[in-house]
Amino acid sequence: DTAVSQTPKYLVTQMGNDKSIKCEQNLGHDTMYWYKQDSKKFLKIMFSYNNKELIINETVPNRFSPKSPDKAHLNLHINSLELGDSAVYFCASSQSDQGHNQPQHFGDGTRLSIL
Amino acid sequence: DAKTTQPTSMDCAEGRAANLPCNHSTISGNEYVYWYRQIHSQGPQYIIHGLKNNETNEMASLIITEDRKSSTLILPHATLRDTAVYYCIVRGTSYGKLTFGQGTILTVHP
Repeated sequence: DTAVSQTPKYLVTQMGNDKSIKCEQNLGHDTMYWYKQDSKKFLKIMFSYNNKELIINETVPNRFSPKSPDKAHLNLHINSLELGDSAVYFCASSQSDQGHNQPQHFGDGTRLSIL
Repeated sequence: DAKTTQPTSMDCAEGRAANLPCNHSTISGNEYVYWYRQIHSQGPQYIIHGLKNNETNEMASLIITEDRKSSTLILPHATLRDTAVYYCIVRGTSYGKLTFGQGTILTVHP
């Protein structure tokens, strides 16, 4: 059983389009994340949601809008796609704790290519 | 969050132990050391984490020095499937945030 699953795995679209990436986790976690890995392979956090509430927003353009309908889902909608948005987007989840002692589990990524 | 320093790349022979070092000299008292790896075209995979004591699980061992300024991830019997980028991360007080560096590219060869 896949713990953190993302769809689609590949997404090829044209500049200016709007697209969504979906993420679901079946681990019972209450915190979910979106990370972006660019062409230079640096992984950076974009957003974090805890119990459907936004807790981290790392200066991401407002063209990116995360939506968390429930604790098990965190979707990412991107408006007016730009060439620089081409990257691999990873979803992750963890159980929240104040002691920073709970690992995050990642999906296999969505490879977004802008033409 | 404390910054970490890792070698850019390392090689290891199949069946031998792979010892991956990490320096985190600015780590503070409540920050954990986490290790993840990323195999080509996959998402980061959690390996192990620790605070001050050495830790071992089915994947690896984590040795943290007494002053906590450095640590070593040990893969006891490396296989070809362990070829990956290994990330050492000090997880600080920013809620849930993992800050990934460049990591160490470990190549296991026959």
